[in-house]
Amino acid sequence: DTVLTQSPALAVSPGERVTISCRTRESVNILMHWYQQKPGQQPKLLVYKTSNLASGVPARFSGSGSGTDFTFTIDPVETDDIATYSCHQSGNSDTFGAGTKLELK
Amino acid sequence: EVQLVESGGGLVQPGRSLKVSCAASGFTFSHYYMAWVRQAPKKGLEWVATISTSGSNTYYPDSVKGRFTISRDNAKSGLYLQMNSLKSEDTATYYCARQGQPGYNDWFAYWGQGTLVTVSS
Repeated sequence: DTVLTQSPALAVSPGERVTISCRTRESVNILMHWYQQKPGQQPKLLVYKTSNLASGVPARFSGSGSGTDFTFTIDPVETDDIATYSCHQSGNSDTFGAGTKLELK
Repeated sequence: EVQLVESGGGLVQPGRSLKVSCAASGFTFSHYYMAWVRQAPKKGLEWVATISTSGSNTYYPDSVKGRFTISRDNAKSGLYLQMNSLKSEDTATYYCARQGQPGYNDWFAYWGQGTLVTVSS
């Protein structure tokens, strides 16, 4: 299985820029995707194939990377963005990262 | 509007079986790969199964292979997950998910609200 390692919980203030990392040991090409999940809700696709925004997702969300290192950025952060963000690779079967919980400072 | 509505979750004893269902609407069901993804309480997401558009190909991680079976009924726009020999570690919310592009196994573009399966004596 391709293990995805995400950065731990992050504390942010509205208006700041935040970057969440996701690393793998073997290349997944560009097949990395990002989801947002708020408590009690289902996950929501934000970014697919590393850097493509899903329909209706604001441009302050973005993704980048390749091979084994990927990042997800929110700039600027809004209070509504407080949630858990998970990466997902589909290059070698399907696996998810453990999730990065974004909290308010 | 794409809608995925899961049903069939509940409390089941270890070693027993349970079948959960997903009713899809708002898109041409037969054109898309479909999947099940689960989330144990306070844990991350875990992919459980994927099925091709016709149902002829299925994929599972080792954690459920041989115990779980994914199936679909394109005439009814229905997705199913038969779970046998259930273990306490199968306790989770089970989400039905649709893939992003017709005919491809890629990202999970749409998710249902989930159905909770609790395995306990």
